[in-house]
Amino acid sequence: AQSVTQLDSHVSVSEGTPVLLRCNYSSSYSPSLFWYVQHPNKGLQLLLKYTSAATLVKGINGFEAEFKKSETSFHLTKPSAHMSDAAEYFCVVRLDNYGQNFVFGPGTRLSVLP
Amino acid sequence: DGGITQSPKYLFRKEGQNVTLSCEQNLNHDAMYWYRQDPGQGLRLIYYSQIVNDFQKGDIAEGYSVSREKKESFPLTVTSAQKNPTAFYLCASSIDSGLVGNEQYFGPGTRLTVT
Repeated sequence: AQSVTQLDSHVSVSEGTPVLLRCNYSSSYSPSLFWYVQHPNKGLQLLLKYTSAATLVKGINGFEAEFKKSETSFHLTKPSAHMSDAAEYFCVVRLDNYGQNFVFGPGTRLSVLP
Repeated sequence: DGGITQSPKYLFRKEGQNVTLSCEQNLNHDAMYWYRQDPGQGLRLIYYSQIVNDFQKGDIAEGYSVSREKKESFPLTVTSAQKNPTAFYLCASSIDSGLVGNEQYFGPGTRLTVT
């Protein structure tokens, strides 16, 4: 079965320090991978996506993620956290190009301390 | 502006009443989805539709119904058979044309409270 693991349910960083949100997936196929952000009582917004092109993907708001096939990982990073980054982050895997096979991770809540 | 709209943002109902949540998109996307989100939890798929007049059950379809009469619209009805309907409901769409890496676009959500 395919699954997505977000290793930390909650990450807390100080403003201006780096952010690392971890995501691992299990899949027999080459997936498409996405990171979404959700602010309280809002919908999900796409941060970035990997679709078998460059393994280092740059997204919005200074976020980037690196696809490592050997580690089945797609960790999200940002060099310097901002207060506005405090939100819930979801790693999502899509396993084929049809149908509803979007598999969501459980989410990681990012807190940014002043 | 292109996007997905959900209405209303907040909805209150008495137990035993059916309620319909609206989802409209003007992105010309073929596929549409409904998810449920409970506090501190991820998203769970209720129903999805790949084309007009066709839809499939997701992981938690019991107590819900949908229709897809138009490409732009995918309303969700929460019936009285849903035992715990209070939740945040998110609608999404995607192109689903077979191109690699099509992402989902999400609406702003509807928070349903049933008392």
